[in-house]
Amino acid sequence: NAGVTQTPKFRILKIGQSMTLQCTQDMNHNYMYWYRQDPGMGLKLIYYSVGAGITDKGEVPNGYNVSRSTTEDFPLRLELAAPSQTSVYFCASNGPGAVSLAGNTDTQYFGPGTRLTVL
Amino acid sequence: QKEVEQNSGPLSVPEGAIASLNCTYSDRVSQSFFWYRQYSGKSPELIMSIYSNGDKEDGRFTAQLNKASQYVSLLIRDSQPSDSATYLCAAQGGSEKLVFGKGTKLTVNP
Repeated sequence: NAGVTQTPKFRILKIGQSMTLQCTQDMNHNYMYWYRQDPGMGLKLIYYSVGAGITDKGEVPNGYNVSRSTTEDFPLRLELAAPSQTSVYFCASNGPGAVSLAGNTDTQYFGPGTRLTVL
Repeated sequence: QKEVEQNSGPLSVPEGAIASLNCTYSDRVSQSFFWYRQYSGKSPELIMSIYSNGDKEDGRFTAQLNKASQYVSLLIRDSQPSDSATYLCAAQGGSEKLVFGKGTKLTVNP
């Protein structure tokens, strides 16, 4: 049980390039989320999904797209990278988790993150 | 817009002291609240959840919830240097979405 995995760990993009951030969970959770975290700014929700084939915008969706063809995968697409998208990106899934100091709590569990720099 | 506010910090306490972290939220509909710990360069890790008014204790951690005042807090007793991290407060809304505060950076000095 790997939990939530993300690739790549680090990436540098040039302005205008595109890329896909991968996210996979093996906990059979229906709910999945993408966040970005800027220094000192907490986590902002980009997009979320309540199940395969269903996605919706979060607080900061501009410049991003998502798809959810399977329960396990929730990739995030950047089409035209801009310096404002330099951030750390976290994927999360929601449901009962096996790894938590709070016990088996039904809440969000995070992947290790992708650090993206756009130059 | 739903908001979660945390005391700005940074907060510095000596080893063995009690660290007190506070959080207020704007959405009265929120029923579930969470505290995440985030070490520098790492992802958030859930440490406490609370759903009912009152206190919830788990080891050295105590979460407190007051829905009337829309206030959540986290107390860390006998603080250790390994508790040094940023603590994120979150309130849960529809579609299990979480609204996070900006976090409070805690430093525990040996």
